[in-house]
Amino acid sequence: DAGVIQSPRHEVTEMGQEVTLRCKPISGHDYLFWYRQTMMRGLELLIYFNNNVPIDDSGMPEDRFSAKMPNASFSTLKIQPSEPRDSAVYFCASSLSGGKDNEQFFGPGTRLTVL
Amino acid sequence: LAKTTQPISMDSYEGQEVNITCSHNNIATNDYITWYQQFPSQGPRFIIQGYKTKVTNEVASLFIPADRKSSTLSLPRVSLSDTAVYYCLVGDMRRSDSWGKFQFGAGTQVVVTP
Repeated sequence: DAGVIQSPRHEVTEMGQEVTLRCKPISGHDYLFWYRQTMMRGLELLIYFNNNVPIDDSGMPEDRFSAKMPNASFSTLKIQPSEPRDSAVYFCASSLSGGKDNEQFFGPGTRLTVL
Repeated sequence: LAKTTQPISMDSYEGQEVNITCSHNNIATNDYITWYQQFPSQGPRFIIQGYKTKVTNEVASLFIPADRKSSTLSLPRVSLSDTAVYYCLVGDMRRSDSWGKFQFGAGTQVVVTP
């Protein structure tokens, strides 16, 4: 398996623009997580899904952020409108319930820069 | 959730053993202790998990005393490639509804020099 795939790897945009980050989880995994990492706040969980259904979105910073999982193999995280403080590395991870150690497998991340 | 405390940073030389201790005084009966490793410009990667006593795999060992209020991740004979941030997480890994509550915290930055 190719692991968790994220695109794009790097995104530079201007304030006010819409940004869409994409994630393909490991095939067969039933949990998908979106994280954000910054120097100031560390690694924060934004939202996670189970079988394509959002379970906990309490980490989503504000209404400008939204996430969807239309099917088991694809998820998006959208920021509209984007702001400079949204600049961070966004990670997607997937996991298999009942799997060994309930390990989360992380993607390579998307580095977002909002000018 | 059990709050964890670990050192911000540790320095080591190649070939030495590195021990990172994580404090989790309010660990619950059903909680497991899990460690992740994050290299620069990569996502975190699972290293090891344990409940009590000692767990060892090809990467590290995890020592957990009887009271489980702390745990120590041991990296034997580190190399330059072990330079990374190491995160200690505590929670009931068997409950999928608690996964979202795991907090990675700031982790411990380990720097290995020649």
